[in-house]
Amino acid sequence: GAVVSQHPSWVICKSGTSVKIECRSLDFQATTMFWYRQFPKQSLMLMATSNEGSKATYEQGVEKDKFLINHASLTLSTLTVTSAHPEDSSFYICSGRGGGAKNIQYFGAGTRLSVL
Amino acid sequence: GQQLNQSPQSMFIQEGEDVSMNCTSSSIFNTWLWYKQDPGEGPVLLIALYKAGELTSNGRLTAQFGITRKDSFLNISASIPSDVGIYFCAGQYGANSKLTFGKGITLSVRP
Repeated sequence: GAVVSQHPSWVICKSGTSVKIECRSLDFQATTMFWYRQFPKQSLMLMATSNEGSKATYEQGVEKDKFLINHASLTLSTLTVTSAHPEDSSFYICSGRGGGAKNIQYFGAGTRLSVL
Repeated sequence: GQQLNQSPQSMFIQEGEDVSMNCTSSSIFNTWLWYKQDPGEGPVLLIALYKAGELTSNGRLTAQFGITRKDSFLNISASIPSDVGIYFCAGQYGANSKLTFGKGITLSVRP
């Protein structure tokens, strides 16, 4: 399958600081990128969908000013958690989809964010 | 939002046994996907199904797309310890639609 690289895999930050998570599609062009959040023992919760060159579409209840998403190229999307607080601590996972008839979503390895 | 039905939440089997997992929906999907997630990792695609009635294998894994388009099952044969993990089903209505996930089933394999 296709490869999506997500970095960093783990980050600890102080409350009030911002954290950027990168997601790269290594062997395909991701026309659409998805960002998910996952709480322990729960399923993936979609936060936002972004198409290359367009503004991201956020799911209901997700603050767009807190979770800034950029998808400036077909191989790179970033999620910036601004002014992070302890309640933002979670596992964040990106996913890329390259288009075509089968349009499969491939996932990154995830980023564990801990806000102190 | 809608979520697919996967139960039970956890399954415990003996190494070497077969196991079957079901996923159901109240609405139809045109693509069914099965992913496996290891602790601290992202989901990895196991099998993708595109046509009602389709039966597809990937090694010891076999999955079927239900005729009604409202369900799918995944079967793992001759389980091994590395089969441990969380198995998610996901449905997709259109090629550009979002995925709808199940809650996942945590599989434990006793050696």
